[in-house]
Amino acid sequence: ETGVTQSPTHLIKTRGQQVTLRCSSQSGHNTVSWYQQALGQGPQFIFQYYREEENGRGNFPPRFSGLQFPNYSSELNVNALELDDSALYLCASSFGNWDGYTFGSGTRLTVV
Amino acid sequence: TQLLEQSPQFLSIQEGENLTVYCNSSSVFSSLQWYRQEPGEGPVLLVTVVTGGEVKKLKRLTFQFGDARKDSSLHITAAQPGDTGLYLCAANFGNEKLTFGTGTRLTIIP
Repeated sequence: ETGVTQSPTHLIKTRGQQVTLRCSSQSGHNTVSWYQQALGQGPQFIFQYYREEENGRGNFPPRFSGLQFPNYSSELNVNALELDDSALYLCASSFGNWDGYTFGSGTRLTVV
Repeated sequence: TQLLEQSPQFLSIQEGENLTVYCNSSSVFSSLQWYRQEPGEGPVLLVTVVTGGEVKKLKRLTFQFGDARKDSSLHITAAQPGDTGLYLCAANFGNEKLTFGTGTRLTIIP
């Protein structure tokens, strides 16, 4: 059984650029959730995908968008990067919402 | 807005001591989970509790879900340096998202 894999592990971007983060979900999981974790904070919900459709969204602007593919892997896209977007971006997969999430190790994004 | 508050925010104790961390909300949870996160890693699920008053044990860790389903605690007995990490509670309030608490950063001093 493979876990959740995220790529890249670290990334440095310039303000105004666009970024795509990738996530491979755990085998057998059909739901992917993305979280943003600022330094010293708990993770904040960005959005969730279930069967390739967005299934809930947190308080993030439209420049944060995502995709889920037929194999349940997922992408998080952020346009027009701002300095405050610097954070650890976590992907979590699950089978529905009730059995607990399996998290990847995250992508550390630094915007300069 | 559903918020989870954890206390204390930081805790530093000697190896062998006992400790309790708390997770509180003004809203009722459908379920609550505890995670531990180490530097450079994602959170790792420790336990899920779903029934008010439920108590679960995981070796030296005891998790309790409040009767009113609005609070939870994590008690660690005889803490060890390997227990060091960020402890996060996360609740499902009946919608599609998992809401995380602010976290308790625990340091066990050998």
